[in-house]
Amino acid sequence: DIQMTQSPSSLSASVGDRVTITCRASQAIINYLAWYQQKPGKVPKLLIYAASTLQSGVPSRFSGSGSGTDFTLTISSLQPEDVATYYCQKYNSAPWTFGQGTKVEIK
Amino acid sequence: EVQLVESGGGLVQPGGSLRLSCAASGFTVSSNYMIWVRQAPGKGLEWVSVIHNGGGTYYADSVKGRFTISRDNSNDTLYLQMNSLRAEDTAVYYCARGGITIFPPYIWGQGTMVTVSS
Repeated sequence: DIQMTQSPSSLSASVGDRVTITCRASQAIINYLAWYQQKPGKVPKLLIYAASTLQSGVPSRFSGSGSGTDFTLTISSLQPEDVATYYCQKYNSAPWTFGQGTKVEIK
Repeated sequence: EVQLVESGGGLVQPGGSLRLSCAASGFTVSSNYMIWVRQAPGKGLEWVSVIHNGGGTYYADSVKGRFTISRDNSNDTLYLQMNSLRAEDTAVYYCARGGITIFPPYIWGQGTMVTVSS
């Protein structure tokens, strides 16, 4: 099975900072990669699908890039409401594995 | 309004069984990929199972042979039959809607808690 590895596992940044989270697949998944945001006590929310397509209603400060095995989620200007754990997920074929998550905090 | 509402969670002893339900409104379950995802307390998201709109079913290795995903097309309800439950199955279980073609989960239920303990 393909493994999904996110880095870092946690980060702390200041409001307004540019934040980058990476996700690496152990085998190529073309662009079948999604990013989710989960705030404490809340249901996960889809942010990006097909590696770089913003889900409707998601702020434009979020962006995704990559294909094959290496993917990136970028928050261009971190806001207090972005405090959350972020997950990547492959969905090209079963199992639809999630990454282990990246916890984002405000410094 | 498009909505998913899970039910059926609770406390069960190791080795026991439980059936989770996920009632959909605002769309047709059989036309979509439908997914179960779980999250153990304080842990990350774990994909559990998917049923394709064509009927194909797939499972995580951790639940294969013990869990069964199914749907009732007449009442737009998704199910997860869980047998031979273990302590490590303790988690919040979410059902989610994918797309008509392959698409990641984008509509999620609120989750139902399953606790496996003696």
